[in-house]
Amino acid sequence: KAGVTQTPRYLIKTRGQQVTLSCSPISGHRSVSWYQQTPGQGLQFLFEYFSETQRNKGNFPGRFSGRQFSNSRSEMNVSTLELGDSALYLCASRRGEKDGYTFGSGTRLTVV
Amino acid sequence: ELKVEQNPLFLSMQEGKNYTIYCNYSTTSDRLYWYRQDPGKSLESLFVLLSNGAVKQEGRLMASLDTKARLSTLHITAAVHDLSATYFCAVDYVQGGSEKLVFGKGTKLTVNP
Repeated sequence: KAGVTQTPRYLIKTRGQQVTLSCSPISGHRSVSWYQQTPGQGLQFLFEYFSETQRNKGNFPGRFSGRQFSNSRSEMNVSTLELGDSALYLCASRRGEKDGYTFGSGTRLTVV
Repeated sequence: ELKVEQNPLFLSMQEGKNYTIYCNYSTTSDRLYWYRQDPGKSLESLFVLLSNGAVKQEGRLMASLDTKARLSTLHITAAVHDLSATYFCAVDYVQGGSEKLVFGKGTKLTVNP
């Protein structure tokens, strides 16, 4: 059974650029959530999508956005990158509200 | 806003010893998760605790949930080196019809021979 797939695994970008990260959930999972992990702030919730609708958004600036497609795949976009955006970005999926979350391998973004 | 506190944040123990990691949270929730993370890796699901009094065991790890005390514990029995990792608890926070996981800061466990 395929797990949650995130691409790319590693990314190096320059300040001011924008980046798009991709997440393919487990087949049949309609909910996709995104989290940012940094040494200083730990794991923080970014947003959750369910059936192409954003259901919840964390306390991040508007430079962080996302979307979900009809096949449940999700993308996260960060515009005007800052050094502080360097982090491991984790995507998680679950079948429904009563189910647990499965995390992908993450995308490690480095902003230089 | 829900706050999740884990302690200790760092734990160094000898192989063969027992220890408990604690996870306290500030707002009512009846769903709690434990994850393991190895350096540079993603989060591996260990336990999903869905109700008060839930107890789950897998190998040398046992997790429990007391929703009234807002406390979960992860007990390690006869630790082995392979258990060295960072352990996170995460609580489901439901507010206004939306839901998210709120994580503790993690407990970095080092098991020494």
